[in-house]
Amino acid sequence: KAGVTQTPRYLIKTRGQQVTLSCSPISGHRSVSWYQQTPGQGLQFLFEYFSETQRNKGNFPGRFSGRQFSNSRSEMNVSTLELGDSALYLCASSSHPPSGGLETQYFGPGTRLLVL
Amino acid sequence: LAKTTQPISMDSYEGQEVNITCSHNNIATNDYITWYQQFPSQGPRFIIQGYKTKVTNEVASLFIPADRKSSTLSLPRVSLSDTAVYYCLVGEDTDKLIFGTGTRLQVFP
Repeated sequence: KAGVTQTPRYLIKTRGQQVTLSCSPISGHRSVSWYQQTPGQGLQFLFEYFSETQRNKGNFPGRFSGRQFSNSRSEMNVSTLELGDSALYLCASSSHPPSGGLETQYFGPGTRLLVL
Repeated sequence: LAKTTQPISMDSYEGQEVNITCSHNNIATNDYITWYQQFPSQGPRFIIQGYKTKVTNEVASLFIPADRKSSTLSLPRVSLSDTAVYYCLVGEDTDKLIFGTGTRLQVFP
């Protein structure tokens, strides 16, 4: 079974631009979560989608948004990029929404975004 | 804040068995215990998950005593490639991957 795939793997943008990242979950998985990882802040939860609905959202500004399609693929968008948005963006999928730690999340390789 | 406490670091040599203990005194009745491994600049990788007693897979074993207030991840015959940070999570922390400090394992040749 193929794992979680993310595209693109690397991206360079300039301040003020916007970016869209894509995530394809493991086949049959319907829950997708997004995380931002930086050396200083570690891994931070962005949002989680299940059946095209956002179920949970982390503490990020409204510039960060996402959506999920009927085939469970998900995209996240960051508008008006700032230098501090440079990070590794990780997507994780699970068959059902994470609940009390029962659902294991499987991670993709990430998209490394550099904002200049 | 994470609900778990682990040693900050551990050293081992190739071929040895490594046991990393995690304390979770306030674990709830329905909480599962999950361990992740993380290499620098990579996403976490699921290792093992359990609820009670012992769980074993091709990578590791997880020992959970009856009171479930702690758990021990056992890595048999470690190699250099096992050098990483290991995180223990319980319950809702697993949902949003609220990691504690983790245990930095260094394996020497």
